[in-house]
This record gives sequence, C-alpha cells and structure tokens, in this order.
Amino acid sequence: GAGVSQSPRYKVAKRGQDVALRCDPISGHVSLFWYQQALGQGPEFLTYFQNEAQLDKSGLPSDRFFAERPEGSVSTLKIQRTQQEDSAVYLCASSLAHRETQYFGPGTRLLVL
Amino acid sequence: GNSVTQMEGPVTLSEEAFLTINCTYTATGYPSLFWYVQYPGEGLQLLLKATKADDKGSNKGFEATYRKETTSFHLEKGSVQVSDSAVYFCALTPSMDSSYKLIFGSGTRLLVRP
Repeated sequence: GAGVSQSPRYKVAKRGQDVALRCDPISGHVSLFWYQQALGQGPEFLTYFQNEAQLDKSGLPSDRFFAERPEGSVSTLKIQRTQQEDSAVYLCASSLAHRETQYFGPGTRLLVL
Repeated sequence: GNSVTQMEGPVTLSEEAFLTINCTYTATGYPSLFWYVQYPGEGLQLLLKATKADDKGSNKGFEATYRKETTSFHLEKGSVQVSDSAVYFCALTPSMDSSYKLIFGSGTRLLVRP
C-alpha cells in the first residue's frame, strides 16, 4: 500500500507567518511521530501520538509549535509566528504500534526568510 | 542521557571497496539499535536493526552487530556499489522510558565512485 505522505514538500514562509504541515500516515498505523531535521544533522524527536492522543510533546521547541491528530489518522504540525531558526526538514513517521518499525515520509522542507 | 555518535563524513570509496561506518551509543539498559539510510531526494528508510546484545542485523549486503561491551553498532559492507551512495544514520530507541523515541546520530554521507 501507499507509504507515509507529507504536504507540502516545500514551503517558503516570511518571518512571522503561520504555517501548517500535513502528514498522512500509512493506513491502520496507530502511532505517529514528528521529527525535525536541521541541515547536516540527524532528525530530532518533536512529538508522538497514539491514535488521537498526544502522549509526548517533550521535543516541541517552543509554544509556537502545535501538533494535532483529531481523528487518529491525518496529523498537522502548526508553527505560529515562524522564525528563521525554524528552517528545517520536518519528517513524519508512522508505525503499527508504539515499538514497531517507524516508516518515514519524504519530509517537508521549510525555509523561513 | 541517551545519545548516538557516528563517524563524520563524507566517506569516499571506490566501487567494490569494503565499507565500515562507526557508531557508538550511550544509553541505560538495552536499547534497540538501527541503521537508517537516506538516498538523494528520498525519505529515511530502515536498513537494518538489532534488538539485543550480540544480535546481527543484515539487509542488502549490509550488516551490523550489537556489541554491548563496546556500546557499538558499526555498519559494514564487503563490496559497495555506486547505488549505495547515500547518507546513513545510526539510531537507538531507549529500553525503558520513551521506548518509542528514535534518537539519531548526525549522519555519515557515503560517496561511491565508479
């Protein structure tokens, strides 16, 4: 079946704008994760959902970052009042259960000018 | 805390050369260990994994052995191909709290020349 999909693939925002990044996980996957990957670095954990419940948001860098998964499938990562330091690739991953293999989407590359 | 350290790249090899990418970790207990690969323009893909000490993960000619005594999980391949050119990430998930959370190294870029 289809893998994890993310949209948009690229996003350019002016500093101070709000952005919304979408993730469509693999159908039937209970767990969903967001990671942030700065240029030349490995991904860093942002947040974790099990179905619609956000069980861990310890990696969100500030209260400008907000994630939701209201029906337990599609998830949206929202960044308010974007700053230049938010420029990164945002990766979404899903897994069948919380300790199963995580499958990653292609990422959304965000550039804040 | 939990962390992963891997050798800096880029690593440049000729086709059919032997590959080693070093990875060491810091973690309590028995984490699960992974190698992910990111081909140009594509998303992260799981390459192999090992979940307990002395386990060997293998896939597509790559292998890595979980060494508890040296806290290492080095990636090896006997004969690399041009198509192996990619960025390789070593990662772990903790054994206890937050066992779902992948913790990545900074990645090693491999370039294989024909």
